[in-house]
Amino acid sequence: EDQVTQSPEALRLQEGESSSLNCSYTVSGLRGLFWYRQDPGKGPEFLFTLYSAGEEKEKERLKATLTKKESFLHITAPKPEDSATYLCAVPRVSGGSYIPTFGRGTSLIVHP
Amino acid sequence: EAQVTQNPRYLITVTGKKLTVTCSQNMNHEYMSWYRQDPGLGLRQIYYSMNVEVTDKGDVPEGYKVSRKEKRNFPLILESPSPNQTSLYFCASSLSQGSYGYTFGSGTRLTVV
Repeated sequence: EDQVTQSPEALRLQEGESSSLNCSYTVSGLRGLFWYRQDPGKGPEFLFTLYSAGEEKEKERLKATLTKKESFLHITAPKPEDSATYLCAVPRVSGGSYIPTFGRGTSLIVHP
Repeated sequence: EAQVTQNPRYLITVTGKKLTVTCSQNMNHEYMSWYRQDPGLGLRQIYYSMNVEVTDKGDVPEGYKVSRKEKRNFPLILESPSPNQTSLYFCASSLSQGSYGYTFGSGTRLTVV
């Protein structure tokens, strides 16, 4: 069964304390992995799409990397405004189409 | 401003009373979809549409209907809501199904009593 598992479920950091979030997946024939950020009471906001092992993408303090079994979202010197839930997802084949399977997310809190 | 607009933001209704949640996008996107988000379960796709008049079931379609008569609109219809449909609902759109940079709406929090 295709699955997407995110860890940890929750993470508390001090401002400036770098860390990484993990997204592991079991899906045959990966067709991309994407990361979203979700603020409380709002819809997810697209961050990155990664397509192949070894690929990396960066945006401000965030860097996403991809291996054959997992993706990491590295947060360098986080600030309180980076506090949010981070979601990853992979598309899986279903009846000739692709349906995104989302992980349950990592809730990140950055304390000043 | 490029956006996906959902209405209403909050809705409390009674079991069995038909309701519609509207979704509209102004980006000329072909692909639109509906999700529900529940604690501990994450985002799950309800229905999707690859273009006008083309819709298909996602992972949790039971109890829902959709239609896509115009490119910009993709309403979600609950013919006979039940309490287990209490959830946070999101509409999303993208250029095509293979474009995974979805733009999400702000969400509709539905409570069925």
